[in-house]
Amino acid sequence: KAGVTQTPRYLIKTRGQQVTLSCSPISGHRSVSWYQQTPGQGLQFLFEYFSETQRNKGNFPGRFSGRQFSNSRSEMNVSTLELGDSALYLCASGPGASRTDTQYFGPGTRLTVL
Amino acid sequence: DQQVKQNSPSLSVQEGRISILNCDYTNSMFDYFLWYKKYPAEGPTFLISISSIKDKNEDGRFTVFLNKSAKHLSLHIVPSQPGDSAVYFCAASHSSGNTGKLIFGQGTTLQVKP
Repeated sequence: KAGVTQTPRYLIKTRGQQVTLSCSPISGHRSVSWYQQTPGQGLQFLFEYFSETQRNKGNFPGRFSGRQFSNSRSEMNVSTLELGDSALYLCASGPGASRTDTQYFGPGTRLTVL
Repeated sequence: DQQVKQNSPSLSVQEGRISILNCDYTNSMFDYFLWYKKYPAEGPTFLISISSIKDKNEDGRFTVFLNKSAKHLSLHIVPSQPGDSAVYFCAASHSSGNTGKLIFGQGTTLQVKP
């Protein structure tokens, strides 16, 4: 089975712009979660989607949004970018039926905001 | 509020010896715990997990111990190999709701010296 893919892998934007990141889960997986990783911090949970519905949301401002399509692919969008949004954005996919299902991470998108 | 803490940012051990990575948590509603390993430029990969109904889980060279009364878990790697050099994250899942949301620690960088 192909693993979780994320595009693009690297992105450079300037403050005030918006950005859309994409995540394709493992075939058959219905859950996609997004995490932000910054230096010195662990992975911070952004949101989780299951069957096109947001199932949970972390403590991030409304500039961070996401969606999931019928084929389980997911996108996250960040509007009005700030310098502090520079981070590695990771998505993880899982079957989604149980919270103890193993989740598999993609390689991440490295976002740099100038 | 850091609910999952890895107080040692780094650990260095000799090849063949035991590596012990520690993790503390504050929320007594966490009932499922995981360890992930992360190499540079890759996403985290699942290593091992443990449910709160157990106090030990073993998988090959990796053993996770859970001390619920102390809200502490540890990952033992025996014997350590140079290929184990990576960042290790512990993560916890909350017992309420069927969501894949994980709360991660900040990570511990393990270096195994040949």
